[in-house]
Amino acid sequence: GNSVTQMEGPVTLSEEAFLTINCTYTATGYPSLFWYVQYPGEGLQLLLKATKADDKGSNKGFEATYRKETTSFHLEKGSVQVSDSAVYFCALTQGGSEKLVFGKGTKLTVNP
Amino acid sequence: NAGVTQTPKFQVLKTGQSMTLQCAQDMNHEYMSWYRQDPGMGLRLIHYSVGAGITDQGEVPNGYNVSRSTTEDFPLRLLSAAPSQTSVYFCASRAPSAPYGYTFGSGTRLTVV
Repeated sequence: GNSVTQMEGPVTLSEEAFLTINCTYTATGYPSLFWYVQYPGEGLQLLLKATKADDKGSNKGFEATYRKETTSFHLEKGSVQVSDSAVYFCALTQGGSEKLVFGKGTKLTVNP
Repeated sequence: NAGVTQTPKFQVLKTGQSMTLQCAQDMNHEYMSWYRQDPGMGLRLIHYSVGAGITDQGEVPNGYNVSRSTTEDFPLRLLSAAPSQTSVYFCASRAPSAPYGYTFGSGTRLTVV
């Protein structure tokens, strides 16, 4: 079945540091890929998405590129802020299915 | 504000008790889903609905019932709560025309003792 593997956390960075959170997936065909963010005490919010190979999703300074050859969708940000502290989830869906398959989440803490 | 509203935010149940988690959306979304979030497990789909009167099972449906009598509401019922159902529950919705536009509620934290 489909699955998502993302790097174990927690990740702790200083403000303005570079962020990478790795995400790889297992799926047949061409899934759609997502990054969701969950701020403390809140529900999940869609951060960015990519629906086909080589697509780059971007939002709020975050980027991720759909790499079919490496089955990856790594999240990057050039300069993190304290306000980026949250849990980040990589997810996929496929073929019109209503099922979002999530990774286990990576907690990011950014210190001033 | 438009969105997905979940009630209650917190609940403690005793083993064997029943309760209903409420979910309502005011965006006229046809598709609605329930997920549970457990530490180190990510989110897992419990049940979903593609319209009023239509529901289907997700990945972890055992111990949960759903029904969809209106477009707006999608309640999740626990008939006999078990400690294994201690979790944070999220409801989500989307429009059929927006296959990637899932909107999540803020969650219900349930503890079964």
